[in-house]
Amino acid sequence: GESVGLHLPTLSVQEGDNSIINCAYSNSASDYFIWYKQESGKGPQFIIDIRSNMDKRQGQRVTVLLNKTVKHLSLQIAATQPGDSAVYFCAENTPTGGFKTIFGAGTRLFVKA
Amino acid sequence: DAMVIQNPRYQVTQFGKPVTLSCSQTLNHNVMYWYQQKSSQAPKLLFHYYDKDFNNEADTPDNFQSRRPNTSFCFLDIRSPGLGDAAMYLCATSRGTGPYEQYFGPGTRLTVT
Repeated sequence: GESVGLHLPTLSVQEGDNSIINCAYSNSASDYFIWYKQESGKGPQFIIDIRSNMDKRQGQRVTVLLNKTVKHLSLQIAATQPGDSAVYFCAENTPTGGFKTIFGAGTRLFVKA
Repeated sequence: DAMVIQNPRYQVTQFGKPVTLSCSQTLNHNVMYWYQQKSSQAPKLLFHYYDKDFNNEADTPDNFQSRRPNTSFCFLDIRSPGLGDAAMYLCATSRGTGPYEQYFGPGTRLTVT
């Protein structure tokens, strides 16, 4: 849903381990979901997307899982690398009031070498 | 190859002094967005243009205005910046407002003194 609060959840993982970042979305009518990566001082960058008629989609080293029953989205990063350190945002595209993209609160990923 | 360009990257303005941020795109996308992002928060949508059609978010202060003179360019005008307007301003584009990823520029960091 709409982002609130000033403190990002943080996930710290060892280089080479797998990372799982979770997100709860707000609108059961949302039909398209995106994960963005934002490095310090840069704009968000598209990682992977998934439509509501799917429950899993894989990319290079990344997998997105969608559970519509509980309105939950997750991003799995395999063999996490130091370059994966960033803030990750999930976003939902909702048809409410005309199509609109709503960003989740974000999770900061730290990768320890 | 830069696809969404924002100028300047850093802008310092005085309290109450109007400021304009610019965004240009080489993607020929129909939709251009302006987001405000404060530290450790998700991007917050201010408004968007679908072609020449302006769409303001209900909670965007009147102090923020936008212009889109042509497909490639979009401007954010802050008429009387307050200290609370200091933030990163992100421009993004997409082919449409439905299930399409957004392409973000690098952002303009605004400081208000």
